[in-house]
Amino acid sequence: AQKVTQAQTEISVVEKEDVTLDCVYETRDTTYYLFWYKQPPSGELVFLIRRNSFDEQNEISGRYSWNFQKSTSSFNFTITASQVVDSAVYFCALSEYNQGGKLIFGQGTELSVKP
Amino acid sequence: GAGVSQSPSNKVTEKGKDVELRCDPISGHTALYWYRQSLGQGLEFLIYFQGNSAPDKSGLPSDRFSAERTGGSVSTLTIQRTQQEDSAVYLCASSLAKGTIEQYFGPGTRLTVT
Repeated sequence: AQKVTQAQTEISVVEKEDVTLDCVYETRDTTYYLFWYKQPPSGELVFLIRRNSFDEQNEISGRYSWNFQKSTSSFNFTITASQVVDSAVYFCALSEYNQGGKLIFGQGTELSVKP
Repeated sequence: GAGVSQSPSNKVTEKGKDVELRCDPISGHTALYWYRQSLGQGLEFLIYFQGNSAPDKSGLPSDRFSAERTGGSVSTLTIQRTQQEDSAVYLCASSLAKGTIEQYFGPGTRLTVT
């Protein structure tokens, strides 16, 4: 069965701290895709990144970086030097190749960055 | 360009009434998805459409829920005989094609059933 677990419900940090959001997934498929979305207080889900199961290269985009490890079924997200504008709920999601693209979401991690 | 739009942004209805929620996907996007976000259940997939193929309705919670997509563009999600547990934010997303590429979400419709 497919499942995404984000064990951290809430995280609070002070500005400029680094923070890592954990994501663990379960799937029986060998071909799948992992996503991170950001949901700021305004409510709209914003796409951040997509990785496929055959590409375990880590990715960095500005202050954001992602660590994909198939051996531990994890796809963790790190924000370096956090800023107040990073405050949001972050969702990790899984999509299996034969499931038409429907996303299975984790429960989300609410990140609060205080000045 | 324009993103995914949804209407209404808020809807308050009485228990037992029917409601229709509308989604306008990004122009050129052939795949359209509906999700529901509620406090108790998180973000759940409801249904998706891809071109002229039969929709995948596997996420619809009951037969009171239905959706259609006309002309491969606008979609309407209908909930009949609404119940209080239907209260949630209903999110629509679209993508360039079916499959595992990124989906772009609309702002959602907040439905409150009193």
